[in-house]
Parts: sequence; C-alpha cells; structure tokens
Amino acid sequence: KNEVEQSPQNLTAQEGEFITINCSYSVGISALHWLQQHPGGGIVSLFMLSSGKKKHGRLIATINIQEKHSSLHITASHPRDSAVYICAVSQGGSEKLVFGKGTKLTVNP
Amino acid sequence: DGGITQSPKYLFRKEGQNVTLSCEQNLNHDAMYWYRQDPGQGLRLIYYSQIVNDFQKGDIAEGYSVSREKKESFPLTVTSAQKNPTAFYLCASKFRSSGNTIYFGEGSWLTVV
Repeated sequence: KNEVEQSPQNLTAQEGEFITINCSYSVGISALHWLQQHPGGGIVSLFMLSSGKKKHGRLIATINIQEKHSSLHITASHPRDSAVYICAVSQGGSEKLVFGKGTKLTVNP
Repeated sequence: DGGITQSPKYLFRKEGQNVTLSCEQNLNHDAMYWYRQDPGQGLRLIYYSQIVNDFQKGDIAEGYSVSREKKESFPLTVTSAQKNPTAFYLCASKFRSSGNTIYFGEGSWLTVV
C-alpha cells in the first residue's frame, strides 16, 4: 500500500463544475503539498499546509490531521484547469517528499 | 526572475553512453532534489543535497550520480549502469526545513535509443 493515496485517478468534468480531489496518507507528516503538473511536464506548487484550510482564487485546500486526509477543491472549473494534480507529504525531520500518483483532471468546455 | 532551469528539455542517448542533465537555480535554496517520473507512477527520489559538497541517495539512486560543487547547481549523470533510463526527470529545490515551498523545474525527457 502506498503511503500517499489519491482519488480519483482520472476525473472528467464539464466547465463550471465543482471539483474535489482527495488525498489520504498513512504516515506522520509535517506538511502536505498540492502540486499541479502541466501537460508539458512542469510542476507548480499550489498549496503547502499543515492544518486547516487555504484558499487561492478558485482553489481551496483542506487538511484533517486526525483523519490523515486532505482535499483539493476547484470551484467554477475551467478547461485551463486541466492538468495532473499531485499530493505530496513531507515527514517530520525529513527533507524528503512522498508523492501520490496524481489525479488527471480534464475539464471540457 | 528567480527559478529553476533544467536542460536539455529533450535528450536522446544511445545505450552504453552516460548523459548529464543540468539543473540550475537562482533562488538561493539550500536543498536540491532529482526525481524520476514514469507513466502512472508517483515521483521517485533519485538523489538530494541539503548543502554544498554533500548529497544523499534517494530511493532509486542505482545507476545515477550527482555533484554539488556550487549552491546553485546540481547536475545529474545517468550512467550506462542504469538499466531503464528512459523517463522524465525533474529537478526541485527549496529552503531547508520542512515548512518551505518546493519549486520544480520544467523537466527533462530522456529517451534511450
């Protein structure tokens, strides 16, 4: 069993829909990262959080430390949101990240 | 603009040849990382360095080598000992301590022909 599990693996939505991507982890963490990988391969960090909730534009990330679960929400989705979204965790005292396999999101116009 | 520059973007290698992928950052980050990504797999750590002249093996270091002679540079050499080198390689960097955002380069596609 992977230490970081994401669901769903693939997600197709219509423009304007509310999107939720889930991430569960089985190890103790110091922080959780949500990343976005563009079709060309480059990766951008969206959020880093260790508790509660963060919001940036149409993106919202939440984390529940007790349940070892995080969600990434996209409101009013747009075709330009189409990408692979990756969850990663950093473990306390370690410089290393453990990555999920990613969720491929396709938003159709 | 600050960021991470990887080169080349695309590289073809003949079997038996070593190749070196470049990673340069001007973010003044202490820690630098090399990851490998294969289709349907999460990123896997090859090597990382937290300080100049020091580096540690990651989960899949066999067949790879690195150096960290300068703070801003962390080149990765894929040697002929790497049995399955065709993959997408990503370089990343961050300030030390676990509470800092990680930054990624645009990646390098390596194909062995």
